[in-house]
Amino acid sequence: EVRLVESGGGLVQPGGSLRLSCAASGFTFSYYEMNWVRQAPGKGPEWVSYISLSGSTIFYTDSVKGRFTVSRDNAKNSLYLQMDSLRVEDTAVYYCARDAGSGTYSPFDYWGQGTPVTVSS
Amino acid sequence: SYVLTQTPSVSVAPGQTARLTCGGNNIGTKSVHWYQQRPGQAPLLVISYDTDRPSGIPERFSGSNSGNTATLTISRVEAGDEADYYYCQVWDSDRDHWVFGGGTKLTVL
Repeated sequence: EVRLVESGGGLVQPGGSLRLSCAASGFTFSYYEMNWVRQAPGKGPEWVSYISLSGSTIFYTDSVKGRFTVSRDNAKNSLYLQMDSLRVEDTAVYYCARDAGSGTYSPFDYWGQGTPVTVSS
Repeated sequence: SYVLTQTPSVSVAPGQTARLTCGGNNIGTKSVHWYQQRPGQAPLLVISYDTDRPSGIPERFSGSNSGNTATLTISRVEAGDEADYYYCQVWDSDRDHWVFGGGTKLTVL
């Protein structure tokens, strides 16, 4: 059974940092590209970041460039999101999502349950 | 940036057909994915690549895409479909970004 379990969310002050983790199981993690997606309260999903199989290719949404860093450790079956200089508008539930690997522009076929991040003073 | 426009709410009687649209400039040239999200849950892929239904998704769900509009069709709507949100998604190749629509809430009358 494919499982994605996020952790590391919490309450942080503006300007602070958090590191999110996503533990993958039930599939060969190194074979799949991964993404982070967030969802602010009452809003739709917003894609945050993509990372390729080896981590050599990375994309970010414009609002987090220079503040967030995505990485992965295939040996540990884990995906990470280092979030620095956090802003109030970063408040959201953060999901890790697996790229289906079905070709170009693959959908996200598995999602974790999400970890909440609240940025507030 | 590429924008996807979805009608905020669609209402349909039980047993009828709901058609949820996702508008975008020449969206017919892109691959559109659709997700269902129930309250408190993560999104669930229901249609990929415009028309493909993943394993386990009921045949009631179908999709189409042409011109400036992609459509998710839900046939024989059930009371249990109430309160679900549906989001469309495409890859914006000009900016190397995934884009989600604002979502449509399905209301069962």
